[in-house]
Amino acid sequence: EIVLTQSPATLSLSPGERATLSCRASQSVSKYLGWYQQKPGQAPRLLIYDASNRATGIPARFSGSGSGTDFTLTISSLEPGDFAVYYCQQRSSWPLTFGGGTKVEIK
Amino acid sequence: QVQLVESGGGVVQPGGSLRLSCAASGFSFTTYGMHWVRQAPGKGLEWVAFTLFDGSNAYYADSVKGRFTISRDNSKNTVYLQMNSLRGDDTSLYYCAKVSDWGLYFDYWGQGTLVTVSS
Repeated sequence: EIVLTQSPATLSLSPGERATLSCRASQSVSKYLGWYQQKPGQAPRLLIYDASNRATGIPARFSGSGSGTDFTLTISSLEPGDFAVYYCQQRSSWPLTFGGGTKVEIK
Repeated sequence: QVQLVESGGGVVQPGGSLRLSCAASGFSFTTYGMHWVRQAPGKGLEWVAFTLFDGSNAYYADSVKGRFTISRDNSKNTVYLQMNSLRGDDTSLYYCAKVSDWGLYFDYWGQGTLVTVSS
């Protein structure tokens, strides 16, 4: 099983600041990594697929990068609605796995 | 628009069984694989099971293999999760999710149905 480790666990930032979230895989997942956003009481929303492609309707301030074992989600300028928990997920091999999440909170 | 509506959750004793349903609409159900994903209270996401578009194959997390069975009825646009031998650590909100157009990601989710395993 591929283990995904997200860091930091919590990121405290102000609106307008840049957020950089990390996801590290225990073995290579090539480019097959996605990112999700989850707000309290809501289902997750797919943001990024295959490391760097924005899903339908996702604003350009969200970007993804990386390959192999190291990946980054960047939010260029945080808006109030971006404060949430973010998860990475790999589709390289079964079983599909998620990282433990990074909470982006208002400083 | 895509809609996924889960049902069938509830309180069940350890060792018991439950069947969850997910009714889908707004897309061509018969051409998409479907997932179940769960989230324990206050915890992260855990993928549970996946069925191919035609139900010909299925994949499971190790934690549920041999206890849970995913199936689908394409005539009813519904996917199921039969859960047997339930344990306390199965207590979670269970989401069904549609496989994305870009591979084994989850692009649409239901609102979930809560399963509580407790005596």
